[in-house]
Amino acid sequence: DGGITQSPKYLFRKEGQNVTLSCEQNLNHDAMYWYRQDPGQGLRLIYYSQIVNDFQKGDIAEGYSVSREKKESFPLTVTSAQKNPTAFYLCASRAARRSLSGANVLTFGAGSRLTVL
Amino acid sequence: DQQVKQNSPSLSVQEGRISILNCDYTNSMFDYFLWYKKYPAEGPTFLISISSIKDKNEDGRFTVFLNKSAKHLSLHIVPSQPGDSAVYFCAARYVQGAQKLVFGQGTRLTINP
Repeated sequence: DGGITQSPKYLFRKEGQNVTLSCEQNLNHDAMYWYRQDPGQGLRLIYYSQIVNDFQKGDIAEGYSVSREKKESFPLTVTSAQKNPTAFYLCASRAARRSLSGANVLTFGAGSRLTVL
Repeated sequence: DQQVKQNSPSLSVQEGRISILNCDYTNSMFDYFLWYKKYPAEGPTFLISISSIKDKNEDGRFTVFLNKSAKHLSLHIVPSQPGDSAVYFCAARYVQGAQKLVFGQGTRLTINP
């Protein structure tokens, strides 16, 4: 079955440490996204990538970094510069604009919960 | 600046009745609206969508209404079932650009037996 796999599901980090969240999709989707969910604030866009080797900052990119070396993979690194990293992180992907129905729909992974101790 | 707002953090509805979830937006450049449903510790799943050129879209028990002049959309669920208990997010897409979605804060719907 096609889908998006995020790992790890739960992660604990000490302050000052970088941590990388994995996101892999086998949907053959071109675009991939990282969102962050905090209570009462909905989902906020961190970074997105429309094609391999290209990515853009979202609304809250500070303290995060990404790479898109392969179409299937879009890892997110939460750096020590991120002041409030404890959150639920969601990865999503979307088919290309020229696809048939569903081109506007994001498919989400199950999420990764990061807790900074 | 919250461009997509869901002003009700929670809603409680009796099983079998109608659930109405509301969403307001401020940006007139949005051209497509979506509703997502989310269970705890899971990713959101797509529920239903509507283009800005329409005012209604129906899919089974779910209907989305769009009022462009009021910049308001609503999701109707009828009849409501216990499995509908979840957090519902409204999302909107920009007309141009990278098809980014802007999400509302979410509304937690609880269906009571």
